[in-house]
Amino acid sequence: AQSVTQLDSQVPVFEEAPVELRCNYSSSVSVYLFWYVQYPNQGLQLLLKYLSGSTLVKGINGFEAEFNKSQTSFHLRKPSVHISDTAEYFCAVSEGGGADGLTFGKGTHLIIQP
Amino acid sequence: DGGITQSPKYLFRKEGQNVTLSCEQNLNHDAMYWYRQDPGQGLRLIYYSQIVNDFQKGDIAEGYSVSREKKESFPLTVTSAQKNPTAFYLCASSIVSTGMPEQYFGPGTRLTVT
Repeated sequence: AQSVTQLDSQVPVFEEAPVELRCNYSSSVSVYLFWYVQYPNQGLQLLLKYLSGSTLVKGINGFEAEFNKSQTSFHLRKPSVHISDTAEYFCAVSEGGGADGLTFGKGTHLIIQP
Repeated sequence: DGGITQSPKYLFRKEGQNVTLSCEQNLNHDAMYWYRQDPGQGLRLIYYSQIVNDFQKGDIAEGYSVSREKKESFPLTVTSAQKNPTAFYLCASSIVSTGMPEQYFGPGTRLTVT
């Protein structure tokens, strides 16, 4: 069975500083990987996805993530954060064709301090 | 505008009552999903459906029921058998084909049972 671990429940960062949100997964087969963002009392919005090919994927709002198969990681990064990036971030994994539902990590709350 | 709608945004019920949450999509997606979100727990899969008139249990299906009579609709009923129904419920949809596994989410329904 697949699982996702987000190592930090909360990450405080000063505005304009870089940030990395960590995600590790476990799976016995090849996977698809996703990062979603959730603003308070809203649904989830897809930030970026890794399906195959280049291990560095770029997403919306200046975020990028790197797939590392040997370390089973998919960490999310942004070189300079803005106050509007304050939100909950979820890493998710899907095995096989992806139609059976996603397995989510517990989320990381990114707090941007002025 | 294409998207997923969930209604109502807030729902209050007394313990012992069944309640049905609505989810409609006009994206022409084949698959639809229901997730439950609790603070600090991430999202957990309740039920999913890849085709009309067929659905499968997810990780936490006990106390819930669904139907899929139309491609665009996937209502979720929270029954009185669900021991802790207060939560944020998210509906999602996706295309069932290789290369497009990402899911798109609705705005969610917050259910409070007292």
